Amino acid sequence: EAGVTQFPSHSVIEKGQTVTLRCDPISGHDNLYWYRRVMGKEIKFLLHFVKESKQDESGMPNNRFLAERTGGTYSTLKVQPAELEDSGVYFCASSHGQGGSNEQFFGPGTRLTVL
Amino acid sequence: GQQLNQSPQSMFIQEGEDVSMNCTSSSIFNTWLWYKQDPGEGPVLLIALYKAGELTSNGRLTAQFGITRKDSFLNISASIPSDVGIYFCAGQVGAGGTSYGKLTFGQGTILTVHP
Repeated sequence: EAGVTQFPSHSVIEKGQTVTLRCDPISGHDNLYWYRRVMGKEIKFLLHFVKESKQDESGMPNNRFLAERTGGTYSTLKVQPAELEDSGVYFCASSHGQGGSNEQFFGPGTRLTVL
Repeated sequence: GQQLNQSPQSMFIQEGEDVSMNCTSSSIFNTWLWYKQDPGEGPVLLIALYKAGELTSNGRLTAQFGITRKDSFLNISASIPSDVGIYFCAGQVGAGGTSYGKLTFGQGTILTVHP
């Protein structure tokens, strides 16, 4: 069974540009989470989807960040316009839900560098 | 918001030595988790703790859920070179292994094992 995949693995952009990150969860997982780790700090929660609905978006830093999960399958996280402080590693995780295991399985992350 | 303080920040040990790391919180968590991250990968769950006072082992790893529900520790016995990586504690407000909510992470402990 394929794990959580993320694309791209790395992205280098200039301040003011737009970047879109993609996450494909494990097939059949209703829960999808986005997290971010800024260099040397803790991994911080951004938001949680249950299927296509936003269950909790309390961690989204500001309105430059837009997450979508149309159709309840893959998710995208768009940063527009990017700022220097947005640099970090963005992780996506998924879990089964519906009475199944709540273990969150993480993808390898997207390393975003904003210059 | 909720915060986890994880220590030590880094450890340099010889192969065969035991390792201990811990996390404390100012607020209660009802589930404690320990993850390991290898370079270029996402965090992988090592041990999950669901009950205050619970002591759980997974091979050479042992973790405990503090009685106050505000702390946890992880011990690794007889370290080997493949133990190298970043270890994260994480807390979850939901209880009993049925919560699908967000994880709150510690800052991570970087472990280096010299052969």
